[in-house]
Amino acid sequence: QSALTQPPSASGSPGQSVTMSCTGTSSDVGGYYYVSWYQQHPGKAPKLIIYEVTKRPSGVPDRFSGSKSGNTASLTVSGLQAEDEADYYCSSYAGSNFNVFGTGTKVTVL
Amino acid sequence: EVQLVESGGGLVQPGRSLRLSCAASGFIFDDYAMHWVRQAPGKGLEWVSGLDWSSVNIGYADSVRGRFTVSRDNAKNSLHLQMNSLRPEDTALYYCAKSYVTGWRMDAFDIWGQGTVVTVSS
Repeated sequence: QSALTQPPSASGSPGQSVTMSCTGTSSDVGGYYYVSWYQQHPGKAPKLIIYEVTKRPSGVPDRFSGSKSGNTASLTVSGLQAEDEADYYCSSYAGSNFNVFGTGTKVTVL
Repeated sequence: EVQLVESGGGLVQPGRSLRLSCAASGFIFDDYAMHWVRQAPGKGLEWVSGLDWSSVNIGYADSVRGRFTVSRDNAKNSLHLQMNSLRPEDTALYYCAKSYVTGWRMDAFDIWGQGTVVTVSS
């Protein structure tokens, strides 16, 4: 039950795109289409922004998009805005009623 | 308004117990799986435990299995986490979270409470 691996940091200028990865194994990311992504601002609860690898809950801008290839999922934030500066976490269902989160990526808007 | 409100946190000595509760409102509680997620100070998110609407399917992280017990009372729209044999490494902000999809689905958490702080220290 190891945490999914995410790069510690990513950055981009306003208007640019940033992509971050989430690497697991065939027992979690690679084995299910149940990868979700969360945005967390300092001192706030996480917010669901992507579920089932590519789907966005109502109200989440289409600047956020998700994908998956093999054991690695990715989140892309297009048209970066100042308010996108936050920590981002991936999560995957891993079978047997178990979930695992990623290590988190801190996104900085330059 | 859809809302989750946690309670029961506090300062406790190593080896002692604590029971967290989460009061849900604004949605059909027994349609969804529910979870506990924690975040140690300055650290990332860690899924702790979850159970489906019927309490038949229950899961625990390895770090808490055998020490923590999750339960729910659908009649009272409440979720609980009984934490025994607490360790300093259990110190964290504990969030209650709701699954986004109905039924047995145990993934994707769309509604979160503000959390309750648990500090394990002598």
